[in-house]
Order: sequence, then C-alpha cells, then structure tokens
Amino acid sequence: GAGVSQSPRYKVAKRGQDVALRCDPISGHVSLFWYQQALGQGPEFLTYFQNEAQLDKSGLPSDRFFAERPEGSVSTLKIQRTQQEDSAVYLCASSLDRGFLYEQYFGPGTRLTVT
Amino acid sequence: GENVEQHPSTLSVQEGDSAVIKCTYSDSASNYFPWYKQELGKRPQLIIDIRSNVGEKKDQRIAVTLNKTAKHFSLHITETQPEDSAVYFCAASDTDKLIFGTGTRLQVFP
Repeated sequence: GAGVSQSPRYKVAKRGQDVALRCDPISGHVSLFWYQQALGQGPEFLTYFQNEAQLDKSGLPSDRFFAERPEGSVSTLKIQRTQQEDSAVYLCASSLDRGFLYEQYFGPGTRLTVT
Repeated sequence: GENVEQHPSTLSVQEGDSAVIKCTYSDSASNYFPWYKQELGKRPQLIIDIRSNVGEKKDQRIAVTLNKTAKHFSLHITETQPEDSAVYFCAASDTDKLIFGTGTRLQVFP
C-alpha cells in the first residue's frame, strides 16, 4: 500500500523566504510527527499531532516554525523568514495510534537548502 | 529531557563478521527502544525494537539487548553482508516522540 509521502522532495529557498512543506500520512494513521535531520545527524523531534490536535510542539526551534493538521490527515510545516541554519532534511512520520505499541513509518523527507 | 548517545560513529567490518552498536540513554522513564536503518538518501526504516519488559529480542541475523539498570541497549548484527552497509540510528521514547542517537555508519567490505 501507499506509504508516507512528502512534497516537495527538494526545496531551495533564498534567505528570508517563507516555505511550506507537505506531509501525506498513511491513510487512517492517527499520529503524525515532524523531525528535522541535519547533515550527518540523527532526526530531531519537532512536533506531534494526534488527529488535528497538536499535542507537543516542544521541538520547534523558534516561532518562525509553524505546523498544522487541520483535518487530521495532511499536515503542513511552515517556516517563515528562512535562515541558513534551517537547511536540513525535514522528515514526517505517521503511526496508527499514539504510544510505542505502534511503529512510526517515515516519509522520504524534504531536503531544504537555504541560500 | 531524554539524551541518547551512540557509539561508534563509524564501523567497518569484513563480510561475515559481526557488528555491535551501543547506545546509552539518560531518562529512566524511557521504555521503548527502536533501531532504524537509513540508506543514503532514503527514509529511516525500522529494523527491530525492544520494550522495557524484555531484555533481549532476536530477528534472524539481528538482535537487540537492553539493560535497564545501566540504561544502555545494543544492536548486534551477525554474518554481515554488503547490503547491511548503511547508517543505523538508535532511539528511545517514554511516550510518543522518539529521541535519536547520532548514528553509526556501518561499512561491510566483501
């Protein structure tokens, strides 16, 4: 079946531009996560949704980062006034329900390069 | 919050040898420990996980051990093959979010 998909796969933005990254989770998956993976590092947690509710946004690095999931399916991560340090791969993951009984399935990621 | 350390950062082995990757965590409340394999330019994929109520789990050539007292867990790959070459990440969780280690680049030489 279809896995987690993300778009665009690659994004180049000039410093100061706003970007929007999309995540389509596996159909029926209740939980959705965003992670940021810098080059040569492990993924770092950004935020987590249970259906449309954003239950944890403790990992968002600044108020320039905003995520939403208005209908409990597709999610968008928005970064305003991009900076060079925002360059990374942004990974989305979904799981059937909350809690560690359910595997997190990752999307292919969006590679963001800020010039 | 949780902090996960992973060693070594790189590991080179001959095909057929075993590989061991070790992780330590700081939060005693963590109770779920997955391992992900990430090939170059690809998404992380779960290869094995362990929950705190068991000390060891095995799946064919892959095994994971957990020592909750010492707060460390390890990945063991036996009879390594060139297709095992990838970056491996450990992670820990006490609720929903995963806290990842910094990764181990495993190279298996034919």
